[in-house]
This record gives sequence, C-alpha cells and structure tokens, in this order.
Amino acid sequence: AQSVTQLDSHVSVSEGTPVLLRCNYSSSYSPSLFWYVQHPNKGLQLLLKYTSAATLVKGINGFEAEFKKSETSFHLTKPSAHMSDAAEYFCVVSGLPGGSQGNLIFGKGTKLSVKP
Amino acid sequence: SQTIHQWPATLVQPVGSPLSLECTVEGTSNPNLYWYRQAAGRGLQLLFYSVGIGQISSEVPQNLSASRPQDRQFILSSKKLLLSDSGFYLCAWRDGGETQYFGPGTRLLVL
Repeated sequence: AQSVTQLDSHVSVSEGTPVLLRCNYSSSYSPSLFWYVQHPNKGLQLLLKYTSAATLVKGINGFEAEFKKSETSFHLTKPSAHMSDAAEYFCVVSGLPGGSQGNLIFGKGTKLSVKP
Repeated sequence: SQTIHQWPATLVQPVGSPLSLECTVEGTSNPNLYWYRQAAGRGLQLLFYSVGIGQISSEVPQNLSASRPQDRQFILSSKKLLLSDSGFYLCAWRDGGETQYFGPGTRLLVL
C-alpha cells in the first residue's frame, strides 16, 4: 500500500536561510510524487511533481525536490527562504496504478514559519 | 487555461440546516472531480470523486452526498448538518495524468 510521512509537523527558519522539508514515502511500485503549498484559508497550489523523469525536480518560487529511490525520500528544498514562503506544505504520493479515480495520498503537512 | 471555482467562500450554518456547495471547472472536458474536507488536526480527507456525469463514488460513510449534474459541475450537499461537518472543503479536478488542481475552498462553520 502507498503511504507518505512528513517527518516534521513544524519547521522554523530565518529569512534568507535554506529550507528543508522532509518527506518519506512507501510504495509497491514507482509512484508519482507531488508537493503542494497551502497559504491560510486558501486552496492547495501545486509546487512541483515527479513522474519518473529527472530525479531532481524544479518547481515554482525557487523550490526543488529530489527523488531518491534508495532512501524512499522526496525532500523539498529552497536555498533562501522568503517571508512569503510561510505556509503549510503537503507531500503527496499517487495511489495504486490503473485506478481510474487517480486518488492521491496526502501527508499530514508541515507548517513552515519564516522569521525576519 | 483551466480554472476551478468554488462557491461560497465562507458559510455559517446552524445545526440541522441543509447544505449545498458548488464547484465548477472551466477549460477542460470530462475531468475527474474530487471533494475533500480539511478539518483541524486531521489532514486532507477524500470525501467523493466522480469520473463522469451522474457517477459518484463515496470514500467514507458520512452525513454528506455529492452530485454531478453537468460535466464540469460538482455539488456537495447535506440534508441536515452536524457540528462535525465544520471544516474547509476543497474541490479538485484531475488532468490526463495524476495531477490534481484545487479550488480556493469553502470554509464551513456549523453552529
């Protein structure tokens, strides 16, 4: 069965310092992986996705993530945090293949705080 | 380009009252559509999905129902709201692959 674990419920960084949000997944096949961001009282916005092409995926707003099959990880990084990056981030793995519903499995989220 | 709308943005309803939340998608045809609920401390829960007009699948037993009267319209309903129905409701559509795109959400508070 597919599952995803976000290792930190809350991460706090200072503006201008690097961001690392950790995500591990479990899957019986090669899944698709996603990172979404949610600002308060807003919908989820797709940051980036991995779909078995390049293992280093670049997304919007300077974020990127690296798919490491040996470590079953898909950590999200950004070299320099900005105040506007403060939000909740969700790591997501695709459901079982062949399912027409295309269900996704969501992590519990990591809240990122950025200090001035 | 595709856009997804949800209506209303915020709703305060008394216990026992009916509910109707609407989701519409523009710029795509025959999308898979999804309703999620996000409650405090409980993450994102899939409630319903639809692969076509009139086709609804329920993921969890609950007080809510869904309908898809048109290709790009997805409605979430209840006949009698419970306190536990409070939350943030998100609609999403899926592209030809596995990516889902979310609407702005509806904040529901049941008092």
